[in-house]
Amino acid sequence: SQQGEEDPQALSIQEGENATMNCSYKTSINNLQWYRQNSGRGLVHLILIRSNEREKHSGRLRVTLDTSKKSSSLLITASRAADTASYFCATDAAALIFGKGTTLSVSS
Amino acid sequence: DVKVTQSSRYLVKRTGEKVFLECVQDMDHENMFWYRQDPGLGLRLIYFSYDVKMKEKGDIPEGYSVSREKKERFSLILESASTNQTSMYLCASSYNWQGSNSPLHFGNGTRLTVT
Repeated sequence: SQQGEEDPQALSIQEGENATMNCSYKTSINNLQWYRQNSGRGLVHLILIRSNEREKHSGRLRVTLDTSKKSSSLLITASRAADTASYFCATDAAALIFGKGTTLSVSS
Repeated sequence: DVKVTQSSRYLVKRTGEKVFLECVQDMDHENMFWYRQDPGLGLRLIYFSYDVKMKEKGDIPEGYSVSREKKERFSLILESASTNQTSMYLCASSYNWQGSNSPLHFGNGTRLTVT
């Protein structure tokens, strides 16, 4: 399986701080996607970055992609309590393959 | 807004029962997927489908089958449920997009317990 691996597994920060999560993968990709999952719910798509892109922004989210290192990072700036969730990267194969996720806890 | 609906939020079945998990999407998406999610293992792909009556095995198809008779509906079948199939099951759909995977839209999941 070409599963991505997120790092760290868990992250605890204070409101207002930035949160950075990393994803490493093993094979060539067409695109890489990040998703959020609130406890007990389905996943919600956050952002997609194509293999020919290096950085992408969406609101307080910034995603980078380094295809030479086969890695991506997700930065959430000025975190809020509502950002508390698990975050997954997904790499594009015949179907999307997800990593195990990073659990982010933002305390006020 | 895309809606992916899974028929049950919680389900309790007995070992050996045949179990049907239903998923319906309302956006005419070509692609549909079934994942299971377990603590420490993340999401694992069971089966997916790119078209009606078409199916492809994912990473863990053993013990499961699927049916896609209509474009909007993708069913996951546990032929003879076992306790190791206790899990959260997530259905998702997406449209075809330049040969790669467009963003997935997920249902809220079915938490299946097999006793």
